[in-house]
Amino acid sequence: QVQLQESGPGLVKPSETLSLTCTVSGYSISSGYYWGWIRQPPGKGLEWIGSIFHSGTTYYNPSLKSRVTMSVDTSKNQFSLELTSVTAADTAVFYCARVVGWQHLPDYMAVWGKGATVIVSS
Amino acid sequence: QTVLTQPPSVSAAPGQKVTISCFGSSSNIGNNYVSWYQHFPGTAPKLLIYDNDKRPSGIPDRFSGSKSGTSATLVITGLQTGEEADYYCGTWDSSLSALVFGGGTKLTVL
Repeated sequence: QVQLQESGPGLVKPSETLSLTCTVSGYSISSGYYWGWIRQPPGKGLEWIGSIFHSGTTYYNPSLKSRVTMSVDTSKNQFSLELTSVTAADTAVFYCARVVGWQHLPDYMAVWGKGATVIVSS
Repeated sequence: QTVLTQPPSVSAAPGQKVTISCFGSSSNIGNNYVSWYQHFPGTAPKLLIYDNDKRPSGIPDRFSGSKSGTSATLVITGLQTGEEADYYCGTWDSSLSALVFGGGTKLTVL
C-alpha cells in the first residue's frame, strides 16, 4: 500500500528556509491525486500548509502563501515543501499526505506520513 | 482562531457513546464535504470519515459521521480505552480557498 515518509533538517535557523521532502512508495505520484503538507505546532492543532496536484497545480494556505513553495519530482516520486523566512512560530511537526480531490479542489487527507519535527532556533 | 469550532474535550466511559461536534459556516461545511481524523500524539493522523459519512476500508462501523447545514458530527459507539486521542474535523473553505481544520477535541475514555 502507499506509504509516505518526510525527510529534511530537524533544525533551521531563524530567517532561513525550511526544506522538506516527502518520498512516496507504493504509488506513482504522476498517476494522480493531490499531495499535501500539514503542520502541528507544539500544543496546537493541525494546520494545512498547501497541496499540489500531480501536474503541478498548487493551492496554498493564504496565511502562508507568500512564504511557501511546493513542487513535485515525478522522477524521484517525491514532492517537496519550502518555507522561507522562518521564525520560532514555524516550529512544528510537519506531515505530508496524499490528498483526495473533489471538484478539482483538495478535499481530504487519505494517507499520512509519520511526521518530521522541525525546530526553528539559532 | 480556527474556522471550524469543536469542543476542546469530551469524555465517556468504556462501552458508551460519544458525540463530537464541528461547527462552521456556509463557506465551508455548508457547501463542502467534511472529513474526520483521529490523532494519537507522536503518530500519523488517521482518516476516520470522508465525504461527511463514508468510512475508509478498515475503519469500524462504530465510527460514524453526519452533516446537517453548517455543522457536522462524529459519533463513536462502544468506546474503547485505546481510542483516547485527539479528533479533528476538516473541510474546504470556499471563501478562504483553503483546507481548514477544527481546533481538535481530546477524547478521554474514563
